[in-house]
Amino acid sequence: GIQVEQSPPDLILQEGANSTLRCNFSDSVNNLQWFHQNPWGQLINLFYIPSGTKQNGRLSATTVATERYSLLYISSSQTTDSGVYFCAVAPDSWGKLQFGAGTQVVVTP
Amino acid sequence: NAGVTQTPKFQVLKTGQSMTLQCAQDMNHEYMSWYRQDPGMGLRLIHYSVGAGITDQGEVPNGYNVSRSTTEDFPLRLLSAAPSQTSVYFCASSRRGGMDTGELFFGEGSRLTVL
Repeated sequence: GIQVEQSPPDLILQEGANSTLRCNFSDSVNNLQWFHQNPWGQLINLFYIPSGTKQNGRLSATTVATERYSLLYISSSQTTDSGVYFCAVAPDSWGKLQFGAGTQVVVTP
Repeated sequence: NAGVTQTPKFQVLKTGQSMTLQCAQDMNHEYMSWYRQDPGMGLRLIHYSVGAGITDQGEVPNGYNVSRSTTEDFPLRLLSAAPSQTSVYFCASSRRGGMDTGELFFGEGSRLTVL
């Protein structure tokens, strides 16, 4: 299966700081998604982004499919951004997703 | 829409007992799946289904059964619970075609402890 590596594994930010999370994958994909798992365990879909760039408020994501990586940008971080961010990929546009191990983000006041 | 609904949210079992985790979605999604989440290991796929009557194994299927008799429901059965099955279980669904194809929606999770 496709290998998914996320970096860094842990990130501590002060409120207001910007950050970049990275997702590398080992094979071509037609499905790439970013998820946020909040401290209560809920998994929320942030972006469906197999290629290109998308923005949603203070979050944006870019996937460079030809170079097999995706970046998630968090700008002006807030304490509510704390949690674990997962990248997940699949060779088809839908179906089985392979998850990375996640990046644990802690935003301090 | 309720989205993806899982029950129960918490369950404690003794080794050897069986149980069923329920999952229902009201979005008419063709694709449904079960993941387990263990500390430090991300999410691993247990079983999935691409439509009613069709199921297949994921990465970690041993000890679990599934069935898909309707589009809405995808229960996960633990046949004889073992301590290694202590985990948080997530059900997820997505569309197979058209708008929003592939975007995965998760239930709130079911925390299972096997003693």
